Amino acid sequence: AQSVTQPDIHITVSEGASLELRCNYSYGATPYLFWYVQSPGQGLQLLLKYFSGDTLVQGIKGFEAEFKRSQSSFNLRKPSVHWSDAAEYFCAVVPSGGYNKLIFGAGTRLAVHP
Amino acid sequence: DVKVTQSSRYLVKRTGEKVFLECVQDMDHENMFWYRQDPGLGLRLIYFSYDVKMKEKGDIPEGYSVSREKKERFSLILESASTNQTSMYLCASRSRRGLVGYTFGSGTRLTVV
Repeated sequence: AQSVTQPDIHITVSEGASLELRCNYSYGATPYLFWYVQSPGQGLQLLLKYFSGDTLVQGIKGFEAEFKRSQSSFNLRKPSVHWSDAAEYFCAVVPSGGYNKLIFGAGTRLAVHP
Repeated sequence: DVKVTQSSRYLVKRTGEKVFLECVQDMDHENMFWYRQDPGLGLRLIYFSYDVKMKEKGDIPEGYSVSREKKERFSLILESASTNQTSMYLCASRSRRGLVGYTFGSGTRLTVV
């Protein structure tokens, strides 16, 4: 079945440590790929997106993501986490030919220890 | 900036009531979407609309309907609210032109008692 998988439900890191959030998708052709962040009580904010071209994508707030076709992955990274990065992160895809439907993973909740 | 406005931040309704959730966007976007968000399940698509009076079922349409009489407004209707529809509801919009992202509203937290 077509799906978006975020294997980690919760992740805890120390402030200043590096971060990688995993995302895998199971669509045949390369979809459009997105990462969103949701702070407590807030709506969704777009961090970055990948449509084509360079497989390393830079986003806002110091985040980046790398598309790996061979692994069907689009992992989100940040070299040094700040306490304000504590939030829930969602990976999402628009399948090619998917009529613009944005399909979400279950989310990863990030906690940051001082 | 594109703005997507959901009329209510919090709603409490009784079982069996007819509930309307309203969403308005101000950038002439053709596509609009309704999602519900539940812990551990992420966001699931309920309905979406390509244009005025156009609608398509998403992944979980049962118990819901929608209305798009004007381009800027997309309403989600719970015909007879049930407790299992207690959730956070998020509206989004997107232009058909170019490769742009989706803009989300702040959400409506609905509690059905």
